[in-house]
Amino acid sequence: GAGVSQSPRYKVAKRGQDVALRCDPISGHVSLFWYQQALGQGPEFLTYFQNEAQLDKSGLPSDRFFAERPEGSVSTLKIQRTQQEDSAVYLCASSLAFVDGQIASSYNEQFFGPGTRLTVL
Amino acid sequence: KQEVTQIPAALSVPEGENLVLNCSFTDSAIYNLQWFRQDPGKGLTSLLLIQSSQREQTSGRLNASLDKSSGRSTLYIAASQPGDSATYLCAAWGYKLSFGAGTTVTVRA
Repeated sequence: GAGVSQSPRYKVAKRGQDVALRCDPISGHVSLFWYQQALGQGPEFLTYFQNEAQLDKSGLPSDRFFAERPEGSVSTLKIQRTQQEDSAVYLCASSLAFVDGQIASSYNEQFFGPGTRLTVL
Repeated sequence: KQEVTQIPAALSVPEGENLVLNCSFTDSAIYNLQWFRQDPGKGLTSLLLIQSSQREQTSGRLNASLDKSSGRSTLYIAASQPGDSATYLCAAWGYKLSFGAGTTVTVRA
């Protein structure tokens, strides 16, 4: 089954280290989303891609966070100079399509990966 | 900004009892509402997606209703089983998914 995959599943970093988290969306899915989930909380939106274009990065908590999707498929979320408050589960989701400003279609359903649990010591 | 609230935060019921999980959202201008299940240490599994034009969706023992005007959705799980123990999240789909904090359900055998 070709679902959304993420790697690594677990990452432990020392404070100040840079980390890179990878997301492989479902093949053919145009839209890709990153979310951050703190312990005991619901996921919070970080950023959104439509193909290779990053259309919304308003949820990125600081300029230490950077995401890319250069070929419109695999995406990488990079966190520079990690801090303890960055410890969370990072979830990636993909969907077939999202049409901004239009009535929702059945293609908007988001499918989530298992997440990467980041622990910053 | 869309605010999504889920009540209660936790729920414990004996096996066989019906479950009622509540979700409220502040901005009724949503495209759809999605219910997810999350098991400890795992990602999110989509349970039901209700389009903005729909009032409810059903899948097996699960039924979700949507009342946009009042900003509410309810997830019903009939005849609960221990395997239903998990955290249930609702998310309102406006421009992007806005999640509640979840309801953690424990079904006692």
